[in-house]
Amino acid sequence: QKEVEQDPGPLSVPEGAIVSLNCTYSNSAFQYFMWYRQYSRKGPELLMYTYSSGNKEDGRFTAQVDKSSKYISLFIRDSQPSDSATYLCATHAGNNRKLIWGLGTSLAVNP
Amino acid sequence: KAGVTQTPRYLIKTRGQQVTLSCSPISGHRSVSWYQQTPGQGLQFLFEYFSETQRNKGNFPGRFSGRQFSNSRSEMNVSTLELGDSALYLCASSSGTANTEAFFGQGTRLTVV
Repeated sequence: QKEVEQDPGPLSVPEGAIVSLNCTYSNSAFQYFMWYRQYSRKGPELLMYTYSSGNKEDGRFTAQVDKSSKYISLFIRDSQPSDSATYLCATHAGNNRKLIWGLGTSLAVNP
Repeated sequence: KAGVTQTPRYLIKTRGQQVTLSCSPISGHRSVSWYQQTPGQGLQFLFEYFSETQRNKGNFPGRFSGRQFSNSRSEMNVSTLELGDSALYLCASSSGTANTEAFFGQGTRLTVV
């Protein structure tokens, strides 16, 4: 079993929809949680960075962490075709900056 | 502020050869981490360098090695290339403390034939 599980999709939504992306993890020592966006043939781009449980909002993006259920989510409001990409969740324990990754969810936002 | 620069962007090598990839981190960042990305395994951690010292290491064979220079630039080397080494190799730059973000370069696409 991988330490971080993420449904690879693909996920296809119409423009303007609310998108929900999710990951689960198994190690309770993980404290830092990140969402990256990766376009084809590009490196991952950091979207959201959160510590421990709670919500964080940045524009159309909201990240949620529920440490009790070991569940992390990324919500995208008013999705745009430019949001079409692969979304990767990642985490680490803090004392060790080795990022552990989900496999990524492929998202297509259709005009 | 310049981002993370990886060179070359693309490489084609034959089995048994060796290859060296380069990464220049964001100015002021002292930590450089390397990752291998493949469709089946996703992103896997190779190693991290901080102030010229390897600080963390992933579960890759000894054919994969790296180093960091005094200006924080880093190189990774893969010897005796195998077909399975074909992947996107990504370098991440950070300040090096636990609670800071990692920023990635565009990656080097290595194809082994």
